[in-house]
Amino acid sequence: QVQLVQSGAEVKKPGASVKVSCQASGYTFTTYAISWVRQAPGQGPEWMGWISAYNGNTDYAPKFQGRVTMTTDTSTNTAYLELRSLRSDDTAVYYCARDRGPQDHWGQGTLVTVSS
Amino acid sequence: DIQMTQSPSSLSASVGDRVTITCRASQSINNYLNWYLQKPGKAPKLLIYSASSLQSGVPSRFSASGSGTDFTLTINSLQPEDFATYYCQQSYITPRTFGPGTRVDIK
Repeated sequence: QVQLVQSGAEVKKPGASVKVSCQASGYTFTTYAISWVRQAPGQGPEWMGWISAYNGNTDYAPKFQGRVTMTTDTSTNTAYLELRSLRSDDTAVYYCARDRGPQDHWGQGTLVTVSS
Repeated sequence: DIQMTQSPSSLSASVGDRVTITCRASQSINNYLNWYLQKPGKAPKLLIYSASSLQSGVPSRFSASGSGTDFTLTINSLQPEDFATYYCQQSYITPRTFGPGTRVDIK
């Protein structure tokens, strides 16, 4: 069965960077894109961007352009999200999701807390 | 960006009720509209894609319709496990955008 397993919770100081991983299994990794979606406490989901696992092409939401990098490692079927210059309002649960238009399978989420 | 709105923002219903949630896009998105259910502390779960197609494994009491800018999600005979927050999302263009959500709780 399709599974996306994410790395564990992180606590970061303002101005730092965080890198979250998402390991996929149960399907051919390069067939689909991976989207990253975050959800701040008490808020709705927010789409951050996606990466093609086939060729590494990316499409970032304008809000995150310049601060985010999405990559994949096809040898380990893993996608990565790096977010830089963290601020307190980046505190959120970060999800990866398999993207075939809709996001049909999701990781369990990674809580990133930004606090001084 | 395409703005998505939902109504109502919350509703109270009883087991067995029929519930309808609406979603509106700020411009036409054809049928590139998805519906998700989310329970507290869990990831969103895809229910409906392409406005009206039921995701594999989702019970048939869920149905949806619409095209262009106006969409609806209907839950027939609400079950205890359906009490959750529902989000619509457009996948017509990036950035993909979500609606603000509709919380369905127990009356």
